[in-house]
Amino acid sequence: ETGVTQTPRHLVMGMTNKKSLKCEQHLGHNAMYWYKQSAKKPLELMFVYNFKEQTENNSVPSRFSPECPNSSHLFLHLHTLQPEDSALYLCASSPQRTSGSYEQYFGPGTRLTVT
Amino acid sequence: AQKVTQAQTEISVVEKEDVTLDCVYETRDTTYYLFWYKQPPSGELVFLIRRNSFDEQNEISGRYSWNFQKSTSSFNFTITASQVVDSAVYFCALSELGGGSNYKLTFGKGTLLTVNP
Repeated sequence: ETGVTQTPRHLVMGMTNKKSLKCEQHLGHNAMYWYKQSAKKPLELMFVYNFKEQTENNSVPSRFSPECPNSSHLFLHLHTLQPEDSALYLCASSPQRTSGSYEQYFGPGTRLTVT
Repeated sequence: AQKVTQAQTEISVVEKEDVTLDCVYETRDTTYYLFWYKQPPSGELVFLIRRNSFDEQNEISGRYSWNFQKSTSSFNFTITASQVVDSAVYFCALSELGGGSNYKLTFGKGTLLTVNP
């Protein structure tokens, strides 16, 4: 596999369910990101990890819980979500966080629907 | 005020027409970076170009060209002789420190380009 992969591609869950989104990058990068893309809104940065350490949490509700066990893998654990959390969740990676010049490489996203 | 403004929400053209996607940004930093990404229906954002604030040279890559003008804080993207495969949402993005310790990438709302045969 190459690039950034995300599983599952589609997920439907009830408000009381617990599920996890998985992201894996095969680029040797050290920074990984979670974004939320809702209809007609700009991409919202949720979390940033640099060398496995969380460096940014943009006031994301605690029902979203990230985990980064190593530089290649990133998870987003979901529990007791709300219908407004339905969105496309995108994972991205870049060589590292400290420089603004690095482009980010994105996965195909997980389309989440909360019923 | 938005940091990255893409005023065109949707554009529809006929194949072979030229089309320009506008991007206006706002920053107080002297060092910053601008990007364009393409998001086809499959979902993943594809990196197209990066430009740093000290390099105002325009760039051409095949049918794509970019016009960076600091005087007007604009970084416009032109597709020449558009093709159906160019249909996608295009995002302009700004990377800046903005007083923080980490660079932050801020995206515009995107422009949906539809190229009709």
